[in-house]
Amino acid sequence: EPEVTQTPSHQVTQMGQEVILRCVPISNHLYFYWYRQILGQKVEFLVSFYNNEISEKSEIFDDQFSVERPDGSNFTLKIRSTKLEDSAMYFCASKGQGYEQYFGPGTRLTVT
Amino acid sequence: AQSVTQLGSHVSVSEGALVLLRCNYSSSVPPYLFWYVQYPNQGLQLLLKYTSAATLVKGINGFEAEFKKSETSFHLTKPSAHMSDAAEYFCAVTPNAGGTSYGKLTFGQGTILTVHP
Repeated sequence: EPEVTQTPSHQVTQMGQEVILRCVPISNHLYFYWYRQILGQKVEFLVSFYNNEISEKSEIFDDQFSVERPDGSNFTLKIRSTKLEDSAMYFCASKGQGYEQYFGPGTRLTVT
Repeated sequence: AQSVTQLGSHVSVSEGALVLLRCNYSSSVPPYLFWYVQYPNQGLQLLLKYTSAATLVKGINGFEAEFKKSETSFHLTKPSAHMSDAAEYFCAVTPNAGGTSYGKLTFGQGTILTVHP
C-alpha cells in the first residue's frame, strides 16, 4: 500500500540554524500539507500546497518557513533560523481526489 | 472558524468493554469529519471518515462513528475493546466547501485510550 515517507525521523539542531524536513508524498496525490505537534498539544496546520504554490497557510507559517516541491516526488519544509519554540513533531500529509489525508510518520525536531 | 472539542483527554476501559470517544465540532456548515489514530512513535492513521454520505460510518479495526448534525457530534465507538486499541485518537474536521476546499484539517486535542486486561 502506498504511504507517505519522511526523513529524517529525528533532527537535532542549534538555535538559529536552518533545517530542511523532507517528505515523499503518495505518488498520484496532488495536495500536500505540513502540520506540527508540539509535545502535549494539538496537531496544528501549517501550510497546504497545490499546483506548485501555497494554497493556504496558518499564522504560524511566517517568513521563517518555506515549502518547496523541488522535483516530482519530494516535498520539503524549510525553517530558516530555528527557534527553541520550533521544537515539535512535524507531519507531512498528502491527499488525492478524495477528502482524506494520509500522514507520514513524522520528523521530531529538537532545537537546542 | 471551525473547531473541534474532544471530551476527555484520557479514557480508560477494560478489555472487552465498550469504547466511546467523544468529539463535538463547531462549524456554520456541517463539515467533513475524520478520526485518526496514533500509536506510540508512529504517524497518524486514518480510522474512518464522514463525507456527507451515510451518517453511520464504519472504519478499520471494528471502529465506527455516527454523525449527528443536531448534536454537532461525531463520537467514535467500538463494541469490545482490545489491548491493541491502546493509542491516542484524534478527531478532525475540514470545510465542506465543495471543489474549492484545499482540505486544511483542524484537530481536536486528542484522547489517550488505555485498555486494561
